[in-house]
Amino acid sequence: DGGITQSPKYLFRKEGQNVTLSCEQNLNHDAMYWYRQDPGQGLRLIYYSQIVNDFQKGDIAEGYSVSREKKESFPLTVTSAQKNPTAFYLCASSMGGNYGYTFGSGTRLTVV
Amino acid sequence: LAKTTQPISMDSYEGQEVNITCSHNNIATNDYITWYQQFPSQGPRFIIQGYKTKVTNEVASLFIPADRKSSTLSLPRVSLSDTAVYYCLVGDIRTTGFQKLVFGTGTRLLVSP
Repeated sequence: DGGITQSPKYLFRKEGQNVTLSCEQNLNHDAMYWYRQDPGQGLRLIYYSQIVNDFQKGDIAEGYSVSREKKESFPLTVTSAQKNPTAFYLCASSMGGNYGYTFGSGTRLTVV
Repeated sequence: LAKTTQPISMDSYEGQEVNITCSHNNIATNDYITWYQQFPSQGPRFIIQGYKTKVTNEVASLFIPADRKSSTLSLPRVSLSDTAVYYCLVGDIRTTGFQKLVFGTGTRLLVSP
C-alpha cells in the first residue's frame, strides 16, 4: 500500500536534547511538508520541500531543521533551540494538481 | 492565500444532515476549495474538492454559490464516527508539484446518539 509512514508514534525527550522525527513516503510525490499541531489548534507549517535537496522555511521554522536527500524521506529535527517542542507533528506529501495532501499518522513529541 | 472563516464547533445527532459553511471572501479566480477531516491523534484526510456549483462523492457534497465567496460541506445522515474536526482550505491547486495550504482551526463537529 502506498502512503506516508511517520515514526515513532510517541516520543519522549529530555529538555535540551535534539530529536529527529522520521517521515517516509512511497507515493512518488515531489513535495513534502512538516506541520505542527498544538491542542485544539489548527496546523502550522514548519518546513516544506518541493524537490530533492531543496527546502523552504514555513511559518514557524525557528528551532527546527530538515533535510531532503532522497525523494522518499523528509526527516525533521527538533533542536534544543525550539522553546516549546511538545506538540503533535504531522508530515504530508503531495503531487500537486488537484490531488490534495496525503498525511502521515503523526508523531506526538513530549519534552520533559 | 485566501483567508477562510468557519464556525468553531457544531453539534448534531446521528442520522441528521450536517452543513458546515466556510467563508472565503477573498477567493481568487484560480483558487479551489478543499475540505479535510481530522480525527484525534491522526493526520487530516482529504474529503472533497471543488471549484464551482456542486460536487458530490461517496462521503459528502460541496456546494459553492456563483460568487464563490463561501462554500458548504454537507454530510448526509451523520454517524458517531463523523465526530471530527473539518478544515476548509482555499488555494490554487493548478501549480505544478507544489501547493502551500494554510489550515485554520477548523470546525469541531460532535455527533451524539
